Amino acid sequence: KQEVTQIPAALSVPEGENLVLNCSFTDSAIYNLQWFRQDPGKGLTSLLLIQSSQREQTSGRLNASLDKSSGRSTLYIAASQPGDSATYLCAVRAGTALIFGKGTTLSVSS
Amino acid sequence: NAGVMQNPRHLVRRRGQEARLRCSPMKGHSHVYWYRQLPEEGLKFMVYLQKENIIDESGMPKERFSAEFPKEGPSILRIQQVVRGDSAAYFCASSKQGAGMDTEAFFGQGTRLTVV
Repeated sequence: KQEVTQIPAALSVPEGENLVLNCSFTDSAIYNLQWFRQDPGKGLTSLLLIQSSQREQTSGRLNASLDKSSGRSTLYIAASQPGDSATYLCAVRAGTALIFGKGTTLSVSS
Repeated sequence: NAGVMQNPRHLVRRRGQEARLRCSPMKGHSHVYWYRQLPEEGLKFMVYLQKENIIDESGMPKERFSAEFPKEGPSILRIQQVVRGDSAAYFCASSKQGAGMDTEAFFGQGTRLTVV
């Protein structure tokens, strides 16, 4: 059974810091991995999609990597800003459903 | 191009009433998924539908819950005889393809159901 774990559960950093969020999954047989952002009381915004054949994807200050064989992905956020404060969710697709981690709640202080 | 539209955003029901949650997928998307987010828990898959067909309902509770995606109109998630434990945020997602490497899911704003 696929399980997705995100560490840390919460993270507080000062503005400008570079940071890394971690995601691990137990079954490497996945189609893809998606990183989302969720603001309090809001929906999910798709940040990056990494196909199983890819190693990384970049969008602006975000870079996500995927090591399928070890069951790990990282989301790197460069030069963090207060507007980056949100919960970041990692999800893997092995079939029809996305399997989600519980998220990392990020707080960036100015 | 409007995103995934869900309504209502907030819904309050008394125990025993029915709740109907609606989801219109993104334009050009024919695959719809429903997820539930309970307080302090991650999002859990409930059901996957294509037009007029339920493809995978492995995450759906066996009783009181049903879903449809008719040929015309939005997808509907129906919860009959709601109980307090049904209080949660219900999210709908859509994609252009079904399961595959290219399948990227886009989510709506969710419906927050409160059962009193």
